[in-house]
Amino acid sequence: GEDVEQSLFLSVREGDSSVINCTYTDSSSTYLYWYKQEPGAGLQLLTYIFSNMDMKQDQRLTVLLNKKDKHLSLRIADTQTGDSAIYFCAVTTSGTYKYIFGTGTRLKVLA
Amino acid sequence: SAVISQKPSRDICQRGTSLTIQCQVDSQVTMMFWYRQQPGQSLTLIATANQGSEATYESGFVIDKFPISRPNLTFSTLTVSNLSPEDSSIYLCSVEYREKEKLFFGSGTQLSVL
Repeated sequence: GEDVEQSLFLSVREGDSSVINCTYTDSSSTYLYWYKQEPGAGLQLLTYIFSNMDMKQDQRLTVLLNKKDKHLSLRIADTQTGDSAIYFCAVTTSGTYKYIFGTGTRLKVLA
Repeated sequence: SAVISQKPSRDICQRGTSLTIQCQVDSQVTMMFWYRQQPGQSLTLIATANQGSEATYESGFVIDKFPISRPNLTFSTLTVSNLSPEDSSIYLCSVEYREKEKLFFGSGTQLSVL
């Protein structure tokens, strides 16, 4: 079945850029998402990209998709302490109703 | 985006008891999902709840342990029965808007079993 992998931890200094990476195995994945989970909270949908796109920018967030390598990344510009959270990558295939989540990357922003 | 109200937000339960979690959505949705997030882990889909039909359970999850109700298009409940410490997790309700292919989550229920 589909597998989605992420590195577990990332630590950056406030004001620097953060890059969170994700790899997936199913080449038929059509929608790819990034979610943010703060302590004690549910998951907040940050941004998403369709598989026919290479890049999507949304304010401080940039999503890059390399379909050939099945690699997705989330870049957060000017990272702030409020960005400290767990970030989940998720993928789905149109019409399947099945969302596969990555292991989550814990981002720690140092002041 | 959807407004999804989930309650309780947290609970501490005794072994052998049950906990029912409620999920209320501000608009009608066809598909509602229940996920479990064990400590330090990713999300695992428990079941998919459609209005007017029985829930569809994923491998490893059974109706006797996780009964689900879906009485209408805006509400669902998940019961975790015969609790054991291994059931200590965050339980998350989510909905999908088909026209937008996005999954939205409630705030979660933190369950601790003593």
